[in-house]
Amino acid sequence: ETGVTQTPRHLVMGMTNKKSLKCEQHLGHNAMYWYKQSAKKPLELMFVYSLEERVENNSVPSRFSPECPNSSHLFLHLHTLQPEDSALYLCASSQWGKSYEQYFGPGTRLTVT
Amino acid sequence: AQSVTQLGSHVSVSEGALVLLRCNYSSSVPPYLFWYVQYPNQGLQLLLKYTTGATLVKGINGFEAEFKKSETSFHLTKPSAHMSDAAEYFCAVSDRNQFYFGTGTSLTVIP
Repeated sequence: ETGVTQTPRHLVMGMTNKKSLKCEQHLGHNAMYWYKQSAKKPLELMFVYSLEERVENNSVPSRFSPECPNSSHLFLHLHTLQPEDSALYLCASSQWGKSYEQYFGPGTRLTVT
Repeated sequence: AQSVTQLGSHVSVSEGALVLLRCNYSSSVPPYLFWYVQYPNQGLQLLLKYTTGATLVKGINGFEAEFKKSETSFHLTKPSAHMSDAAEYFCAVSDRNQFYFGTGTSLTVIP
């Protein structure tokens, strides 16, 4: 595997389900990000992890819970979601403070029914 | 805080015509600037970047952009549009750790 991978690519879940999104980066970076992309809205930064510590949480509802066990893996745990949470969830990685660009995964298309 | 403005949420060009996608930024410090492209149901792919040095930056797929400090602009151009260029394009500015994205411009290429 190369770059940034995300699984699953598509997910349909009910409002009472619990699921997790997984992201893995194979670039040797030390920072990882979760973004939400909804139709006709700008990219929303959700969480930032640098050196496995959360450095930013942009007022995201508690039904979204991130986890970063090491610098290569990032999870987003989902529970009791709402239909408006349906979106494309993108993971990205970068080298904190040095390599300026972020590299994105293909995203997980989430549909909440 | 920094911000990015992309003028025109939708741009249509004929195949073979010039592509011009506009981006203006506000930054109190020298910025790092980027253009990304997103094809349907895919992630964002880096097209090109400006960090320091030459203000005319060449990227992949024949795209280029010019950093104009006096105009706080970083417009994306391509001399001749191809059908495969149809996608969403995002301009972004970075202060090394935080990215600020524009709202995106959807490019349609007309045969």
